[in-house]
Amino acid sequence: QKEVEQDPGPLSVPEGAIVSLNCTYSNSAFQYFMWYRQYSRKGPELLMYTYSSGNKEDGRFTAQVDKSSKYISLFIRDSQPSDSATYLCAMSDPNYGGSQGNLIFGKGTKLSVKP
Amino acid sequence: KAGVTQTPRYLIKTRGQQVTLSCSPISGHRSVSWYQQTPGQGLQFLFEYFSETQRNKGNFPGRFSGRQFSNSRSEMNVSTLELGDSALYLCASNGGQRGEKLFFGSGTQLSVL
Repeated sequence: QKEVEQDPGPLSVPEGAIVSLNCTYSNSAFQYFMWYRQYSRKGPELLMYTYSSGNKEDGRFTAQVDKSSKYISLFIRDSQPSDSATYLCAMSDPNYGGSQGNLIFGKGTKLSVKP
Repeated sequence: KAGVTQTPRYLIKTRGQQVTLSCSPISGHRSVSWYQQTPGQGLQFLFEYFSETQRNKGNFPGRFSGRQFSNSRSEMNVSTLELGDSALYLCASNGGQRGEKLFFGSGTQLSVL
């Protein structure tokens, strides 16, 4: 079983739709949960991070973490064509070997928002 | 603040050659991580450097190595290139305390022929 599972899509939605992106994980030691957006031929861009369970909102983006189910989500409201990108979830275990730069990534979900 | 700078952006090499990639982190950041991204495996951790010391290493062969300089700039080297080393190599500058704020450069796209 992979540590982090993410549906690769592709996911295609009309402009203005609410988008739901999800990841599941197996390692209960993960404490920080991140969402990155990656445009073609670019590096991943940090969208949001959350610590432990709960919700966090930033503009049109909401991140949810349910540690009991080992399930995280990213919701995008009023989706725009400029949101078309690959979305990657990432997780960290800050106690792993003292490293703070070793994240475990999902493989990404490719999102297309049609005008 | 300037972002993470990686050079070169594109590289074409042949099997058996070696390559050196460079990364300048965000000013003030002392930790740099390197990742390999391929369509099949996604993003995989290579290694992390903090204050010129390798703090952690991923599951890659010894052909992959790195170093960090006193100004936090980092390089990674791949020797005896194989076709499977073709990938996007990403450098990340660590702005958080628990790995929650990694800022990535645009990467170096390496093609091995």
